[in-house]
Amino acid sequence: SQKIEQNSEALNIQEGKTATLTCNYTNYSPAYLQWYRQDPGRGPVFLLLIRENEKEKRKERLKVTFDTTLKQSLFHITASQPADSATYLCALSSGGYNKLIFGAGTRLAVHP
Amino acid sequence: GAGVSQSPSNKVTEKGKDVELRCDPISGHTALYWYRQSLGQGLEFLIYFQGNSAPDKSGLPSDRFSAERTGGSVSTLTIQRTQQEDSAVYLCASSPLGTTTPNEQYFGPGTRLTVT
Repeated sequence: SQKIEQNSEALNIQEGKTATLTCNYTNYSPAYLQWYRQDPGRGPVFLLLIRENEKEKRKERLKVTFDTTLKQSLFHITASQPADSATYLCALSSGGYNKLIFGAGTRLAVHP
Repeated sequence: GAGVSQSPSNKVTEKGKDVELRCDPISGHTALYWYRQSLGQGLEFLIYFQGNSAPDKSGLPSDRFSAERTGGSVSTLTIQRTQQEDSAVYLCASSPLGTTTPNEQYFGPGTRLTVT
């Protein structure tokens, strides 16, 4: 069956460092992948989208990679700030361009 | 402009009662989704509406769950004969027109449902 795995343990890093979050999937061939941020008590907020034919995508301090051979996406936040503390969800396309399957998310805590 | 809104923000109900959850999507968005998020879990897809097409109901966990979208805008998720395992946050999202290109989803704040 299709499966998405994100680190279930929280990632704790020091302010200014680069945070790297991992999203692995099995039994999938997604056409694209998205990353969302979710703060406590709020709905997820879209961050980045990367297609299967793209290796890397950047937006300000954010970078996403997509390796369809390894079936993995990495999400990087450079020069991290305490305000980056949140849960980050990866989502893969399934059965069409508008249907997403979400991972459980990884909680990031950036300490001053 | 206004984002996705959901009501109520919190709902406490007794086991066996029916509940209705409402979602107002962003104006002009043709795609609308319902998800369920249990504590510490990811988003579980429930149902997807796209324009005038038949909805994708493949994620509904039982026949106690149903959803409607009237006039291509507002949607209502109904849970009949609620059970304690239905307790979760129910999230609605909308997305712009597009069936051949991927679109990001815009989420509402969710409705926290507690079944006692």
